[in-house]
Amino acid sequence: GAGVSQTPSNKVTEKGKYVELRCDPISGHTALYWYRQSLGQGPEFLIYFQGTGAADDSGLPNDRFFAVRPEGSVSTLKIQRTERGDSAVYLCASSLGWGETQYFGPGTRLLVL
Amino acid sequence: RKEVEQDPGPFNVPEGATVAFNCTYSNSASQSFFWYRQDCRKEPKLLMSVYSSGNEDGRFTAQLNRASQYISLLIRDSKLSDSATYLCVVTGGFKTIFGAGTRLFVKA
Repeated sequence: GAGVSQTPSNKVTEKGKYVELRCDPISGHTALYWYRQSLGQGPEFLIYFQGTGAADDSGLPNDRFFAVRPEGSVSTLKIQRTERGDSAVYLCASSLGWGETQYFGPGTRLLVL
Repeated sequence: RKEVEQDPGPFNVPEGATVAFNCTYSNSASQSFFWYRQDCRKEPKLLMSVYSSGNEDGRFTAQLNRASQYISLLIRDSKLSDSATYLCVVTGGFKTIFGAGTRLFVKA
């Protein structure tokens, strides 16, 4: 079956702009995760959704970052007033439930100029 | 101190070598443990889960020592195709914490 998909695959924006990154999880997976990965580092946890609700959003770096999952499937990560330091690969993963194997999407490469 | 720490690497080994990766974690309440593999410019993929009893999958053996808060991964008879970054992963509460990864280069 289809894996986790993320769009766009690449996004170039200017400092101060607003961006939305989309994640389509594997069908039937109730758990969804967002991570951010910088060069030479492991993925950094941002937020975990169980169904429609954010069970843990403690990894969001500041209030410019927000994520939603209104119907318990597709999720959108929203970044307001982007900064150059936001440039990274944003990874989404899904799993059947908490603690289960996470399957990652290919990521969105965000570049803020 | 980082929540999950790994050998900084990189490891450069010849084909056929045995290589060991080490990982320590700081949260004694951590619940689940994994090794993921990440190829260059690709997404991470699960290599294996890690249990206190140890688990083996072909050339790969993973071990967990809860008392020492230590996780290991052993690769025997390494292949060129094993070249990748190996990520130690620990879950606790509702957070998943990745180590920085250890890069492995296997050379002919």
